[in-house]
Amino acid sequence: GENVEQHPSTLSVQEGDSAVIKCTYSDSASNYFPWYKQELGKRPQLIIDIRSNVGEKKDQRIAVTLNKTAKHFSLHITETQPEDSAVYFCAASLVGDDKIIFGKGTRLHILP
Amino acid sequence: AAGVIQSPRHLIKEKRETATLKCYPIPRHDTVYWYQQGPGQDPQFLISFYEKMQSDKGSIPDRFSAQQFSDYHSELNMSSLELGDSALYFCASRQRGDEQFFGPGTRLTVL
Repeated sequence: GENVEQHPSTLSVQEGDSAVIKCTYSDSASNYFPWYKQELGKRPQLIIDIRSNVGEKKDQRIAVTLNKTAKHFSLHITETQPEDSAVYFCAASLVGDDKIIFGKGTRLHILP
Repeated sequence: AAGVIQSPRHLIKEKRETATLKCYPIPRHDTVYWYQQGPGQDPQFLISFYEKMQSDKGSIPDRFSAQQFSDYHSELNMSSLELGDSALYFCASRQRGDEQFFGPGTRLTVL
């Protein structure tokens, strides 16, 4: 089955700087890669997703890149703000079909 | 817009008791998923239903069972509860080809 690895587990960045979280997946059949932000005790919130026919996607301060050959995908947050502090999960799935397999999560701290 | 509804939001049980968690998907969503998230962990897929039939099964203990009813709501039944079952349980729903929408979760505490 699919296995998603996520690094780093904890990340501290100065407010205004950029944050990068990296993931790899194992199943070449996976074709949908969502990213979730989760605050303590709350539900995972989809912040951006990318499908395997696209190499990059951007939404304001958030961007995701996908390298299908290497089975790598990354989340980039620019101009970080205090409200970006949360746990971020990368994930992999099959569009229209399957469960979501999550990475272990990255706890992002934005330092004042 | 309507969201996924889960009840109860909080549940406290003793060891060896049973618990039933309910999920009401977004109208017209045909697939329901259950996930378990232990403290400090990632959500783990338990089971899913498509058009009221079980469609996939993950790391769900034999003590747990689930079903989806004719009105598309789903219930997760948990028996012989153990301390390690304490977790957040999320239900998610989707329409095939679309993203999954997560409910607010049920926090189960087993004492």
